[in-house]
Amino acid sequence: DVKVTQSSRYLVKRTGEKVFLECVQDMDHENMFWYRQDPGLGLRLIYFSYDVKMKEKGDIPEGYSVSREKKERFSLILESASTNQTSMYLCASSLVGAPGLAGGIYNEQFFGPGTRLTVL
Amino acid sequence: SQQGEEDPQALSIQEGENATMNCSYKTSINNLQWYRQNSGRGLVHLILIRSNEREKHSGRLRVTLDTSKKSSSLLITASRAADTASYFCATDAYAAGNKLTFGGGTRVLVKP
Repeated sequence: DVKVTQSSRYLVKRTGEKVFLECVQDMDHENMFWYRQDPGLGLRLIYFSYDVKMKEKGDIPEGYSVSREKKERFSLILESASTNQTSMYLCASSLVGAPGLAGGIYNEQFFGPGTRLTVL
Repeated sequence: SQQGEEDPQALSIQEGENATMNCSYKTSINNLQWYRQNSGRGLVHLILIRSNEREKHSGRLRVTLDTSKKSSSLLITASRAADTASYFCATDAYAAGNKLTFGGGTRVLVKP
């Protein structure tokens, strides 16, 4: 089975701190994603990556950056955490289909358990 | 903006009853997927239906897709307490660069 792990289930940080959220997948998936989930808003895509060292902005990239130095690991960085970044953060991976390619078909995404981040 | 909108937002049923939830979307899609999320956990993929398919089954799940109405429905038959979860539709649309866009979800409570 595909396993996607996230470094922390719960995290409490202070405003202005730099925060690192780590995600690791063990099935050699090309694509990796970071979402945040807020009540009533569903999941919103922050950043995604379809290859090592490649990254693309999602719908809400402001205040975030990402790093993908190895295929299995995708990190989300909050450069200076703010209270409005308190949320559930979900990492996901999928096997094939680079976004934007003509005829590209997304496979299912496999999600990690999530990190509930509170910024005080 | 949200591509998929689920309806209803919440649903409460007795064990053994069927649960139906709907998803509407705005732009043409390549495929539509349904996911389940148990409380405080990550999402689990349930089923994917492609734009040229009209109906798909997987165990107690039945998904329909009407591209003319830009809508999909998920039916869970003979529900069980373990089906208590939030259910999300996610659309994969060329207009969105083939990224998945999730709706707000339907919270389903199955009472024993």
